[in-house]
Order: sequence, then C-alpha cells, then structure tokens
Amino acid sequence: SQTIHQWPATLVQPVGSPLSLECTVEGTSNPNLYWYRQAAGRGLQLLFYSVGIGQISSEVPQNLSASRPQDRQFILSSKKLLLSDSGFYLCALGTSGRLSTDTQYFGPGTRLTVL
Amino acid sequence: AQTVTQSQPEMSVQEAETVTLSCTYDTSESDYYLFWYKQPPSRQMILVIRQEAYKQQNATENRFSVNFQKAAKSFSLKISDSQLGDAAMYFCAYRSAESGGSNYKLTFGKGTLLTVNP
Repeated sequence: SQTIHQWPATLVQPVGSPLSLECTVEGTSNPNLYWYRQAAGRGLQLLFYSVGIGQISSEVPQNLSASRPQDRQFILSSKKLLLSDSGFYLCALGTSGRLSTDTQYFGPGTRLTVL
Repeated sequence: AQTVTQSQPEMSVQEAETVTLSCTYDTSESDYYLFWYKQPPSRQMILVIRQEAYKQQNATENRFSVNFQKAAKSFSLKISDSQLGDAAMYFCAYRSAESGGSNYKLTFGKGTLLTVNP
C-alpha cells in the first residue's frame, strides 16, 4: 500500500525567510501529486499538482513554488514567506494514472507558522 | 464553478447511535465524483467513502454509508453505531470527471465538526 511522508511536521519561520517542505511517497510509481493548504477554520485549497517529474501546474500562489525532482518527491518552496502563508500544508497522491479518475490520499501534513 | 455546502458546522451523537451529516453541491456537470473525508485532531485527512455520480447505488463502507440524490444534488453521510474514534471534522468534497475541465481539483466544503458523547 502507498505511504506518504511529509517533513517537517511542524515549522515556525520568520516573515521573509525561505521555505522548503518535502513530500515523499512509497509503494507506488508515477503518482499524481498535489499540494493543498488549509488555513485556520477553512477547507482545503489546491496550490499545485504534478503528473510527472518536472511537470508542475499552479493553481493559486504568487510567492510559492513547487518542484518534482524525482518521481516520488514533491517539494513546496518559497523565497520569502508572508504572514498569510501560515497554515497546514497537505500533500496528496493519486494513483489512477489519470487525473479524472484519481482518488486523492493525503499525508500527515506540515503545520507552518509564520511570525 | 462548483461549490460544496455543508450546512451543519457542528453535530453531536451519542456513542452507538446513528448520525447523518449533510452536504449539497452545485454543478452543471453530469460526470463527477463525491467524497467524504475525515480529519481527526491529528489533522491528517482520511478518505471515508467515495461515490461516482453515474452509479445509482449508494456507496457503503462498513458503518459509513451515503445517501446520494443526484437530482437534488445532495450527498449525505450516515454513520451507524457511532464510536468515540469517529469524532472528527468531516469534509464533503467534489471533483469533476469530465475531460478538459478542472478534473484534478477537489473542491471542499467548510466541514462539520462531529462530537461523539460516551
């Protein structure tokens, strides 16, 4: 079965500092990978998705970026964090091979606080 | 654009009893998927159940079942024999299955916080 790892679990960063969140998956090949953000008291917002190495599609953010250097690794980055970047970041994977039939399974998440 | 509405911010149920969580959605599409996810205090999102819109039969998963009313655009979750471990935030989510659309994206409701009383 598939396993999703996210690192770190918790992070406190000052405004203007860089960010790197890592998501790695096991037990599957060529997954579709997703980054979501959950702000306090809200539902989830899709940030990025990837259907393969080096293939990234962006939904929303201006100061966030994503990369997929390996098949089972998905990284969320920022050069300069904003207060509004605080939230709970969830990585998800889908294994159907097609975006239209994917069921998304989520990792344990990273809690980011920007001060 | 699709929207998902969960009209019950909070619900409570006695242990061993049954509770139903409501979800309605708005879409002009005919082919889509609906999901219920559970988010316990650990905050990991756990898939509870999935329904394909073209299937008339309601999905079931052990103590969890749905009442899918496509014409009414309603997708409620029934939890039978509630257990203390069922206490969590429950999110209803929609995803298009049509080609060319935003079929990669889950659209979530705002959630219902379920409390289970011993």
